[in-house]
Amino acid sequence: EAGVVQSPRYKIIEKKQPVAFWCNPISGHNTLYWYLQNLGQGPELLIRYENEEAVDDSQLPKDRFSAERLKGVDSTLKIQPAELGDSAVYLCASSFSGGDGYTFGSGTRLTVV
Amino acid sequence: GESVGLHLPTLSVQEGDNSIINCAYSNSASDYFIWYKQESGKGPQFIIDIRSNMDKRQGQRVTVLLNKTVKHLSLQIAATQPGDSAVYFCAERKGGSYIPTFGRGTSLIVHP
Repeated sequence: EAGVVQSPRYKIIEKKQPVAFWCNPISGHNTLYWYLQNLGQGPELLIRYENEEAVDDSQLPKDRFSAERLKGVDSTLKIQPAELGDSAVYLCASSFSGGDGYTFGSGTRLTVV
Repeated sequence: GESVGLHLPTLSVQEGDNSIINCAYSNSASDYFIWYKQESGKGPQFIIDIRSNMDKRQGQRVTVLLNKTVKHLSLQIAATQPGDSAVYFCAERKGGSYIPTFGRGTSLIVHP
C-alpha cells in the first residue's frame, strides 16, 4: 500500500506568491487532516475533514489559507499570498472515522523567500 | 494553557545503550498517550501508545511508562541502534477526541 501521498516534497516560492499542496490519503480512510510543523515542534492541526466536510478548521488562518476535499478523497491546501512566516513542513494524515489507522504522509517542505 | 512538552531537546547515546526520553503533560483530562518517531524528511510514525488506566506498556525494544500522579510519560528504548536516531514526540488525546496534541520533540542521536 502506498500510504499517504503528498506532493510536492519541496517548494520554494517568493513571498506574496500563491502555493498549493496536494494529499492523497490511504484508500478507505474517510478522515483527512492537514498539519503545520515548524522546526523542532510537533505538528499543529490546521483542518480536519470527514469525507468532504471540513469539521474542524478553527486553527486555519482563513485570510490566506484555504483547503478543499471536493470528492472526499484527495485534498488540496492553498496559501495565497504566502508570507515568510509560512515556511514550514505541511503534513497530511488520514485515518478511519474514530482515528483508527492514523497515518502521516512525508510532508511538503515550504520555503518562502 | 495546557500543553504537552519535553524536558530534553537532544539526547546522545552510544549504540547498545538504553535510551530514555521524557515528556511532561499538564492536561489531566487526557486519557490516551502516544509516542511518535520522526525521521528526517518523513512524517511522524506511531511507535507505541498507552491508555491512562495503565502504568506501563511494552513493545519490541520499547517501553512506555505513565505516571499520572506527576503527569509524566517516558519512552525507553532498549539496546539503542543507529536506526533509532530521529526526533521523538509524545502526544496526548483528551477523552472523547481522537485528535492528538503534540509536544515539542526530542532529538535522539545514536553514535556507532
